[in-house]
Amino acid sequence: EVHLVESGGGLVKPGGSLTLSCAASGFTFTGYGMNWVRQAPGKGLEWVSSISVSSNYIYYADSVKGRFTVSRDNVKNLLYLQMNSLRDEDTAVYYCVRYMGLDVSVASFDYWGQGTLVTVSS
Amino acid sequence: DIQMTQSPSSLSASVGDRVTITCRASQAIFNYLAWYQHKPGKAPKSLIYAASNLQGGVPSRFNGSGFATDFALTISSLQPEDFATYYCQQYNLYPRTFGQGTKVEIK
Repeated sequence: EVHLVESGGGLVKPGGSLTLSCAASGFTFTGYGMNWVRQAPGKGLEWVSSISVSSNYIYYADSVKGRFTVSRDNVKNLLYLQMNSLRDEDTAVYYCVRYMGLDVSVASFDYWGQGTLVTVSS
Repeated sequence: DIQMTQSPSSLSASVGDRVTITCRASQAIFNYLAWYQHKPGKAPKSLIYAASNLQGGVPSRFNGSGFATDFALTISSLQPEDFATYYCQQYNLYPRTFGQGTKVEIK
């Protein structure tokens, strides 16, 4: 069974940094592209970032470009999101999401984690 | 960026009703359209990919249709567990974009 478990969320001051992790299990991690998607309180879903298996294709939403960095460890089956220069508007539940396969050019999401809450507030 | 517009933003329906949610893309996206169901406090659930293909384990009362710019999600007979918010999403281009969501509530 596919499991995606996020961790690392918490309360951070504006301008601060936080790193989220996503532990993947129940599937061959090196067979799938991965993503981060977030939901701010009372708002809809917002795609944040995507990364291919070999990390040679990486994409970011304009709202986080230059501040967030996505990476993965294919030995430890971990996905990361390093978040710097955090703003109030980054407050959200962050979900780790699997693509349906290797291809990150045109691929749908299939499995989602439960999410981890990031709160940016002074 | 491709804008995704869902209609309606919310609806009230009864168990057993047929419900249709529409999603319009600001430019053609072939059939690179997915639908997700989201309940408060839960992980979103993937329902449909490639506009009309059901993800594994999704009940057959869910049906997706459409191509290019106009898409629809139909629930043929609404069940109690279907009350949730539904999102469409395009994956033709980056940035991936979602519709604003349609909240399906109990009448």
